[in-house]
Amino acid sequence: EAQVTQNPRYLITVTGKKLTVTCSQNMNHEYMSWYRQDPGLGLRQIYYSMNVEVTDKGDVPEGYKVSRKEKRNFPLILESPSPNQTSLYFCASSFLAGGKETQYFGPGTRLLVL
Amino acid sequence: ELKVEQNPLFLSMQEGKNYTIYCNYSTTSDRLYWYRQDPGKSLESLFVLLSNGAVKQEGRLMASLDTKARLSTLHITAAVHDLSATYFCAVDATSGSRLTFGEGTQLTVNP
Repeated sequence: EAQVTQNPRYLITVTGKKLTVTCSQNMNHEYMSWYRQDPGLGLRQIYYSMNVEVTDKGDVPEGYKVSRKEKRNFPLILESPSPNQTSLYFCASSFLAGGKETQYFGPGTRLLVL
Repeated sequence: ELKVEQNPLFLSMQEGKNYTIYCNYSTTSDRLYWYRQDPGKSLESLFVLLSNGAVKQEGRLMASLDTKARLSTLHITAAVHDLSATYFCAVDATSGSRLTFGEGTQLTVNP
């Protein structure tokens, strides 16, 4: 089954404790992206990756890091989480075909930073 | 900076009625996407619109794109309760699959 998976789905942590949210896709997509969703703000892009070892900042990259060592995986790293990073996070992937295909979204990771 | 605006942001309608959600965007683009999100769930793709004048229909939903007006519409025909959800439009103006989302329209269909 074609899918994007994220782990963990729910996470409560404390300020400053490093964490990683994993994202994996099984569709051989080149493009992967991380979004955060906050009430009233829609979805905002954090980072994206056009292919292995190619990543770039989105609209709200501060406080986040990513890596793309393998095509299927795109982890999101919060080196020192703060309460303003409490949010719902989505990973997404797609083929890079001039945008002719939609992006497929993972199930989401709900993060609470105390 | 690309801005994407949806209206209305909240829509309460009765079953059987028709309505339209509007999505305006601020820069040139010929790629627009509509997604649906149920409460507590992820985003589900509804439509991909790739050219001026594109129209797509699925069940009671129909989406269209006017690139000259920088406007997309999502029309709901004879609404049913199962259509209750939040609908997002998203625009790609970068040729690189980088999406900018609207704020979302929360639709409630009442029996």
